[in-house]
Amino acid sequence: LAKTTQPISMDSYEGQEVNITCSHNNIATNDYITWYQQFPSQGPRFIIQGYKTKVTNEVASLFIPADRKSSTLSLPRVSLSDTAVYYCLVGVSGGYNKLIFGAGTRLAVHP
Amino acid sequence: EAQVTQNPRYLITVTGKKLTVTCSQNMNHEYMSWYRQDPGLGLRQIYYSMNVEVTDKGDVPEGYKVSRKEKRNFPLILESPSPNQTSLYFCASSLSAGLGQPQHFGDGTRLSIL
Repeated sequence: LAKTTQPISMDSYEGQEVNITCSHNNIATNDYITWYQQFPSQGPRFIIQGYKTKVTNEVASLFIPADRKSSTLSLPRVSLSDTAVYYCLVGVSGGYNKLIFGAGTRLAVHP
Repeated sequence: EAQVTQNPRYLITVTGKKLTVTCSQNMNHEYMSWYRQDPGLGLRQIYYSMNVEVTDKGDVPEGYKVSRKEKRNFPLILESPSPNQTSLYFCASSLSAGLGQPQHFGDGTRLSIL
């Protein structure tokens, strides 16, 4: 399984763009990169997933360079409600859908 | 509305008293799993199920049982709960067990074992 490294915490202000980078140097050929968001006392919520280049949905963008050893989650114009923990996950184990959660990045958005 | 529903949301009980946490999904998902979340340890998988009548251990299965008799339900059973099982529990499901399938999580069950 590819180990991921991401910042423990980040601070931002309303209206700013936030970029959270995740390192995954040992990513395997078949691994996807997936990001989840978790609010206090709620279950993680899927945000976005990608394999290479750029993926965009209504919530975020995911940038993956050609070597796939890192990825960047971009949240445009954050609001207070984006305050949460963001998890970067890479890879699956044994052919089944097992998620390995690290410590995540705690994002605090300030007024 | 597509969702994963867990019950109860909160439970305080005593050591040794059997309890069951129910999990139900309405998305016709094949794959379901249980996680526990503890401060400093993140989310860890307890058990998972690839389909009806197919279950297997995750990373921390000791002290837990599961069953999958119907596709939509995946209860977590603590036969003889102990204080070290005090935790926040999440049930999750995905369309299949294939690579990269996004998982849908319930809102969690906070268990306190005294």
